Amino acid sequence: DSGVTQTPKHLITATGQRVTLRCSPRSGDLSVYWYQQSLDQGLQFLIQYYNGEERAKGNILERFSAQQFPDLHSELNLSSLELGDSALYFCASSTTTANYGYTFGSGTRLTVV
Amino acid sequence: QQQVKQSPQSLIVQKGGISIINCAYENTAFDYFPWYQQFPGKGPALLIAIRPDVSEKKEGRFTISFNKSAKQFSLHIMDSQPGDSATYFCAASRRMDSSYKLIFGSGTRLLVRP
Repeated sequence: DSGVTQTPKHLITATGQRVTLRCSPRSGDLSVYWYQQSLDQGLQFLIQYYNGEERAKGNILERFSAQQFPDLHSELNLSSLELGDSALYFCASSTTTANYGYTFGSGTRLTVV
Repeated sequence: QQQVKQSPQSLIVQKGGISIINCAYENTAFDYFPWYQQFPGKGPALLIAIRPDVSEKKEGRFTISFNKSAKQFSLHIMDSQPGDSATYFCAASRRMDSSYKLIFGSGTRLLVRP
């Protein structure tokens, strides 16, 4: 267990629908990052939050949005889903006091049918 | 300038052999270079990391070699085992606004044959 909790583990939904993915960072970590990993693809950075504030945006579609709450958990909202949104979505967290990288959760596998 | 280029895309090695994965970067502001290991269906996990003021770091069968002047670094897996079969990502990190930004390479899928 990495300490980063993602729910749900699996999600199957239809095109056009909206889903919410949840992430609880490792205790003490203030930064949360969201990544998308499609089949046989690398890790595509979506967005970063630090202590409730958006810090960086990557290749995130306008149909996607995220937020980080006062208790530091984060949610990634995906709307108007398309078949191409099917992927693994990873959340990672990091601390500000050490630069040894991120701790990833086990991911949410989203299947859009 | 923000890219980290990783090669090869895939690698097949016999058990007991040496696996070598290479990465190159351009931005000299990077100050930390981790490698992540990802098994199918799992999240990437930190494997080993190196600072740019060190030329080599070894942890068990895993060694990072770092060439600052060439802006290249590589992962060597000695005595490769079937259990090492996974996707490996190199990354480069830099501190930004009280947090860290990681740039990942594209990944190398390693298969170690028994």
